[in-house]
Amino acid sequence: GNSVTQMEGPVTLSEEAFLTINCTYTATGYPSLFWYVQYPGEGLQLLLKATKADDKGSNKGFEATYRKETTSFHLEKGSVQVSDSAVYFCALYTGRRALTFGSGTRLQVQP
Amino acid sequence: GAGVSQSPRYKVAKRGQDVALRCDPISGHVSLFWYQQALGQGPEFLTYFQNEAQLDKSGLPSDRFFAERPEGSVSTLKIQRTQQEDSAVYLCASSLVGDSDSPLHFGNGTRLTVT
Repeated sequence: GNSVTQMEGPVTLSEEAFLTINCTYTATGYPSLFWYVQYPGEGLQLLLKATKADDKGSNKGFEATYRKETTSFHLEKGSVQVSDSAVYFCALYTGRRALTFGSGTRLQVQP
Repeated sequence: GAGVSQSPRYKVAKRGQDVALRCDPISGHVSLFWYQQALGQGPEFLTYFQNEAQLDKSGLPSDRFFAERPEGSVSTLKIQRTQQEDSAVYLCASSLVGDSDSPLHFGNGTRLTVT
């Protein structure tokens, strides 16, 4: 079946540090890949997506590249801000209507 | 607002009680999903509607869980004879259509605590 594995958190960084949150997946076929973010007290929001191998999704300074050979979709940001503190979820979609989510990684950015 | 609205925001139920959770999707969105998110976990799919038709209910954990969307807009997730393991955040999401090019818009969820 489909599954998504994320690095466990919390990830604690100082402001302006480089961020990587690892995500690997197992899926049949060729999934689309997503990162969702959940800020405190808010609902899940789509951060970025990539629909085929070697695509790079980007938004708000975050990037992730769809790597088919390593079945990975790691999230990166060059310089994090306190306002990036949130829970980040990696997810995949195989065309069977429902997203499969990872367990989430909490990011805490300290000033 | 124009987002997905869920009510109540919090619900405490005694074991054995029935509960009903409401979701108001974004107007005009065809697809509606329910997810269950246990503490410290990612959301897990429960069921999917396209308009009023429930096309997939494979994620419902037992026959105590029932969802409906009778007029193709508002949806209700009902849990009968609640158990402690039902404690979770229940998320509703809607999208214009049901494919990966149509982003999901999530509500803030209903946190259910069964005591």
